[in-house]
Amino acid sequence: GAVVSQHPSWVICKSGTSVKIECRSLDFQATTMFWYRQFPKQSLMLMATSNEGSKATYEQGVEKDKFLINHASLTLSTLTVTSAHPEDSSFYICSATDRGISGANVLTFGAGSRLTVL
Amino acid sequence: GQNIDQPTEMTATEGAIVQINCTYQTSGFNGLFWYQQHAGEAPTFLSYNVLDGLEEKGRFSSFLSRSKGYSYLLLKELQMKDSASYLCAVKDSNYQLIWGAGTKLIIKP
Repeated sequence: GAVVSQHPSWVICKSGTSVKIECRSLDFQATTMFWYRQFPKQSLMLMATSNEGSKATYEQGVEKDKFLINHASLTLSTLTVTSAHPEDSSFYICSATDRGISGANVLTFGAGSRLTVL
Repeated sequence: GQNIDQPTEMTATEGAIVQINCTYQTSGFNGLFWYQQHAGEAPTFLSYNVLDGLEEKGRFSSFLSRSKGYSYLLLKELQMKDSASYLCAVKDSNYQLIWGAGTKLIIKP
């Protein structure tokens, strides 16, 4: 089945530094990738949708200059949290699909990245 | 606004049956998904319903009533490994996934 690899699985950084999270589709071409964040005991919150070769579409309230998303190839998308602050500490999860967003296509999720900003 | 409601937490006994309900109010409907999420891990797909009725897949079944905006996930012969959060998600008219907050299922021996 489809596999999405996400790296790193956890990261601790100092306030003010930047952190990059990678999301790779291992055995399929991900035309669309989604980035979510999840706070404890809360639902997944979509941050942005990225299509290969084009700019990401950010959800309302998500700062595009703070959360930089690059989807340069059909198998790789990156999320960079710039100038991270403690309130950015969260569980970040990527998901990917090779069939667009319509119909019964199932999203395949990466294992998630737990970010802790000190 | 769009809303997905599911119980926050449920407890059941190993070997028993449990039903997790989900009600939704969304702008349009293009299918309902159930995902399982173990603590600290990413969600994994369980089921998809777009037509009314029951979909059975092994120990897990999912039911949908579009007229009532209602779904349930039925887990039979519960095992300890079924302890997890179960997420209900609906695709709206724009094919955007709207997620519920998840139901934490605790299985006791």
